[in-house]
Amino acid sequence: EAGVAQSPRYKIIEKRQSVAFWCNPISGHATLYWYQQILGQGPKLLIQFQNNGVVDDSQLPKDRFSAERLKGVDSTLKIQPAKLEDSAVYLCASSPHDPETQYFGPGTRLLVL
Amino acid sequence: AQKVTQAQTEISVVEKEDVTLDCVYETRDTTYYLFWYKQPPSGELVFLIRRNSFDEQNEISGRYSWNFQKSTSSFNFTITASQVVDSAVYFCALSDFNSGGSNYKLTFGKGTLLTVNP
Repeated sequence: EAGVAQSPRYKIIEKRQSVAFWCNPISGHATLYWYQQILGQGPKLLIQFQNNGVVDDSQLPKDRFSAERLKGVDSTLKIQPAKLEDSAVYLCASSPHDPETQYFGPGTRLLVL
Repeated sequence: AQKVTQAQTEISVVEKEDVTLDCVYETRDTTYYLFWYKQPPSGELVFLIRRNSFDEQNEISGRYSWNFQKSTSSFNFTITASQVVDSAVYFCALSDFNSGGSNYKLTFGKGTLLTVNP
């Protein structure tokens, strides 16, 4: 069974530019999560989808971050405009449903200069 | 509010030593789930174990074992006869109901960096 796929794996941008990350969850998993992991810390939930609806986006900085999961399968996370403090690893995870075990993708390492 | 504390920031051992990683959690819920994940240098979080709050039975899987004690709100992880390949950051995490929301929320500790030297 294929795991969670993410792309790109690495991205370097300048501050005030925009960037987008893509995630394809494990087939059949209804719940999809985006996490931000800053160096030296544990992952922090940004947004959770159940199918194509948002369940929790309380920690998403909505002035610059947006995410969508239009067809209830893959998802994109966008940052516009990026700030230096957005440098982090962005992890996507999926689970069959909440609160089942979450399985994580390899992450996208973002560096904002 | 839910909270996970991993007091050990870094641990360094020599191969074949046993090592225990500590995890203490806080929650007001009676139904919750505890997890351990491994994050090797490649960066991907690898699921190791999930326990629910009603199952305090300790678990062993090969060289790995977990000790869940509700009385002390702890969920410790022991690696027996450690190997170099065990070197990674290990995260303990708590999933409990998001008060004010409609979902279970996974809260991670800050992680423990384990280095196993040959």
